Parts: sequence; structure tokens; C-alpha cells
Amino acid sequence: KNQVEQSPQSLIILEGKNCTLQCNYTVSPFSNLRWYKQDTGRGPVSLTIMTFSENTKSNGRYTATLDADTKQSSLHITASQLSDSASYICVVSDRGSTLGRLYFGRGTQLTVWP
Amino acid sequence: EADIYQTPRYLVIGTGKKITLECSQTMGHDKMYWYQQDPGMELHLIHYSYGVNSTEKGDLSSESTVSRIRTEHFPLTLESARPSHTSQYLCASSAQGARDYEQYFGPGTRLTVT
Repeated sequence: KNQVEQSPQSLIILEGKNCTLQCNYTVSPFSNLRWYKQDTGRGPVSLTIMTFSENTKSNGRYTATLDADTKQSSLHITASQLSDSASYICVVSDRGSTLGRLYFGRGTQLTVWP
Repeated sequence: EADIYQTPRYLVIGTGKKITLECSQTMGHDKMYWYQQDPGMELHLIHYSYGVNSTEKGDLSSESTVSRIRTEHFPLTLESARPSHTSQYLCASSAQGARDYEQYFGPGTRLTVT
């Protein structure tokens, strides 16, 4: 069964600190993995997308890593800001369909305190 | 920022009413999607469309229906709303043949059925 598991479920950090979010998946055949940021009451916004051959991708203070062998990914946030408070969702796409079906994790709810 | 719009953003309605959630995009994308998301849970695909006059049911069974008469418009209709339909509904779109099927999300409609 294709699944995406994220940890931790929630996380509280102080402004300026770093943090790392984890994602494990069982989706096969694998096409790509994305990290989305979803602010409360808003739609998800893409942060990074990585294919099988990419093992790291950065977007400003966000750095995603991918280990396709162990089927694990992480999202590292550097020097956190209050605006980073959001849900971070790991999404994996399979390449077994023309639709490009997406499998969503439940997200990690990050809260950044001043 | 993606040019995909949803209205209304919030809707509170009584049981038995007919409702239509609007979704439109100005990017000329062929593929469009409807997702349902409950608090703290993953997104579930309920409908999708490959293009005009194409509609398909997603992974999660839903009593809603959709139509795709124009490329830019993908409305979702509930003929008789029930409290179990209370949820957040997210619309998304992607370009046909786009690299890695990048999906762009609208801001969502928060539906409450009393």
C-alpha cells in the first residue's frame, strides 16, 4: 500500500533556531517527492521537488534531502522565523499513471515562538 | 503565486441545501483536481479532470459531483448537504505534460454544514 508517514506530528521551536522534519514513504514506482508549506486556512504551496536522481534541493532557508534507497526525506529549516509557522506536508508522486497520482502525508505542524 | 481561485472561502449552510463550490484558474492548465482535507489529516483526492468534458472520481468516495465545461472552470456541487460534508475543499491544477506534474493549489473553501 502506498503510504507517506511524517514525523514529528507537531513541533514547537524558538525563533532563530533550526529544525528538521522527517518523511518516510512506501510509494512505488517512485517519481518525485515534494515538500509543501500550508498556512492555516490556505492551500499548500510548493517548497521543493526532487526526482530519483536528486538527493538535495534548497529553497532559501529550506533544504530538502532525499534518500531513494531507504525511502526517506527530510526538510531542514534554518534560522526559523515566525512566518515559518505552518503545516509542512510531504507529498510523493508515482510514475505508474498518466495522472501523476500524489500521496500526501498528514503534515508536521510547526510553531515558531518569539 | 499561482493563479487559481476558489469561492466562497467560507460557507456555513443548513442540512439539505444544494451548494456549488467554485474553482477557476487562469493558467490554461488542462488537469484540475478537487481534494478534501479534514483538520490534521492528509489531503484526499475526490475528483479530477484531464480536460474539457473529462471528469473522474478520485480515491475517496464523495457524494459531490463535478463538471468541466470550460478549461478554466471546475465547479463542485453537493445536491443535499449533510453535516458529514463539513470539511475543507481544495482545488488544484497542473499543466498537461508539465515536469513532474507540479500541482498548484487554490486557497480552499471551508464548508460547515449545520
